[in-house]
Amino acid sequence: QKEVEQNSGPLSVPEGAIASLNCTYSDRGSQSFFWYRQYSGKSPELIMFIYSNGDKEDGRFTAQLNKASQYVSLLIRDSQPSDSATYLCAVPRDGGSQGNLIFGKGTKLSVKP
Amino acid sequence: DAGVIQSPRHEVTEMGQEVTLRCKPISGHNSLFWYRQTMMRGLELLIYFNNNVPIDDSGMPEDRFSAKMPNASFSTLKIQPSEPRDSAVYFCASSLIGSGNTEAFFGQGTRLTVV
Repeated sequence: QKEVEQNSGPLSVPEGAIASLNCTYSDRGSQSFFWYRQYSGKSPELIMFIYSNGDKEDGRFTAQLNKASQYVSLLIRDSQPSDSATYLCAVPRDGGSQGNLIFGKGTKLSVKP
Repeated sequence: DAGVIQSPRHEVTEMGQEVTLRCKPISGHNSLFWYRQTMMRGLELLIYFNNNVPIDDSGMPEDRFSAKMPNASFSTLKIQPSEPRDSAVYFCASSLIGSGNTEAFFGQGTRLTVV
């Protein structure tokens, strides 16, 4: 049974700082990893995905994969109050669709102005 | 496209009653997923369909839960009889498997309260 673990937080950072969110996974064979953002009362939305071939940057977001330690991190540079949300890490249950996912319980991020 | 559409947005029902949640996936998508989200257990996959066929229902908690997808544009999740522990937010998501991008898009969810 694959598992994904996240620190529930809340993680509080000041505006403009770097927020670092971490996720560990149990299945060493996992090849792809997804980060979803979920605002309070809203649905999850995909913000980043990364495969086993290294780090990935998209604007203020960087996903980093450490296969040796089986963890994935999401860095948010120049954090903004609008980044305040719960961030969910997920891995595919099988090799198919991105929709068949095992989610962590999420880390709540609060960016203080 | 309007995205994944779920109805109702909120449902309050009494224990023992039947509850039916509805989902319209994004047009052209061939896969549909039902998730449940609670504080205790997080976001869990209940069942998913590919080309209207149920592929994996191992996440369905009990026989009280059932899901159908009679056509490519409609799916239901039914709970009969409902219990207070079924209270949660139920999300439907859809994606297109077989294309280069299989990102799943979530609907706005149905918040179910069983009293």
